[in-house]
Order: sequence, then C-alpha cells, then structure tokens
Amino acid sequence: QVQLVESGGGVVQPGRSLRLSCAASRFTFSSYGLHWVRQAPGKGPEWVAFISYDASNKHYVDSVKGRFTISRDNSRNTLYLQMNSLRPEDTAVYYCAKNRGYNYGGDAFDIWGQGTMVTVSS
Amino acid sequence: IVLTQSPGTLSLSPGERATLSCRASQSISSVYLAWYQQKPGQAPRLLIYGASSRATGIPDRFSGSGSGTDFTLTISRLEPEDFAVYYCQQYGRSPFTFGPGTKVDIK
Repeated sequence: QVQLVESGGGVVQPGRSLRLSCAASRFTFSSYGLHWVRQAPGKGPEWVAFISYDASNKHYVDSVKGRFTISRDNSRNTLYLQMNSLRPEDTAVYYCAKNRGYNYGGDAFDIWGQGTMVTVSS
Repeated sequence: IVLTQSPGTLSLSPGERATLSCRASQSISSVYLAWYQQKPGQAPRLLIYGASSRATGIPDRFSGSGSGTDFTLTISRLEPEDFAVYYCQQYGRSPFTFGPGTKVDIK
C-alpha cells in the first residue's frame, strides 16, 4: 500500500541541526506535492512546510522561515527537512504527508507517515 | 487564516449524532477545507476534502458541509471507533492552518 516512512528524529541541543527524511513507496512520488507537519505533545497539528512535485514551489510557516529547508529527491523517492538553529519550541512529532491530488499548490493530505520525534533540549 | 472549532469537547453516546463546527477568520473556498480524525498515538487521517467529499474508504456516516466561513462535520451515528479528536484544515492559502480540534468522547 501507499506508504510514507519518516526517520532522522532524536534529541538535539538548542542551536544545533537535524535532517529528517521521508521515504515514499507505492505511488508516483514525482507527481505529488508533499508537506511536513508537526505536532507538539498534547497539541494539535501545525503545518510546517510544502514543496511542489517539481520542487519549484516551496512554502514555510513563519516560525521556521530562514531556519528550515524542505527539499526532495525524486530519483530516490525521498523528502527531506533540514532543520537548523533548533529551538525548544520545535520539539514535536514531525510527520510527512502527501497531497491528495496533482495540484501544484496545496491540497488535502491523504497519506501521512507514522511520524518521527524531535526533542530540542539541553 | 485562523480556524476556530467548537465545541472543544463533545460528550456523546454510541449511536448519537455528532455535529462539529469549524469557523474561519476569513472566507475560504469550500474547495480548500478538509477534516481529519486523530486517535492517540496515530497520525491524523483524512476524512473529508473539498468541504463535503469523503476520502477513500471513509464510511458514509461522515459528512461535511458549509461554505464561506462556516463549515460542519456531521457523524450521523457514532460508532465506538469514532471517539477521537477531529481537526479542520484550510489548504487554499499558505500557511495551511489547522483548527485546535474537537474531542469527541464517550458520555
């Protein structure tokens, strides 16, 4: 079945960096926009970043602009999130999610990974 | 766009009807409104997109409606597996915001 699997989470000190990966399988990865969504403990989901199918269109939530970079490798069916200058408030489960349709911009998120936990603490 | 959901918690019994509200701070096209269900320890699951279209595999007891700034998710008869948290989301304009959620728990 269609699947997204995140990896790369862990415990990191404030100010340090971390790169998350999201491996996709059983769908045409290069045809869909993708997102990162995070969820802090006990809170609702917060959309973080979007990348279009061809990486030409990217959007970020204001709180991560200039610190996080979303990218993708269509030859490897993998999505990335490079997170620099991490802060305690970035602590959350990070999910990757797939656009439902072939839209160049946003769409409903029809497939989600299981999430990877990022803890920013000294 | 800020989304507000009400009520915060809905306490109902199996078999009852659940009506959840989502209000947007500005008008959004119904094409860009979704509802998700989330259970503890799981990722959210897409229920409704385009305000009223059910996602693949979603039972017909789930229905969505609304336009402009006011949207509704209705669960016609609650099954035991429907007790969860429900989020609305707009995806028409970045940032693609979620509402704070409505928890549907067992009365």
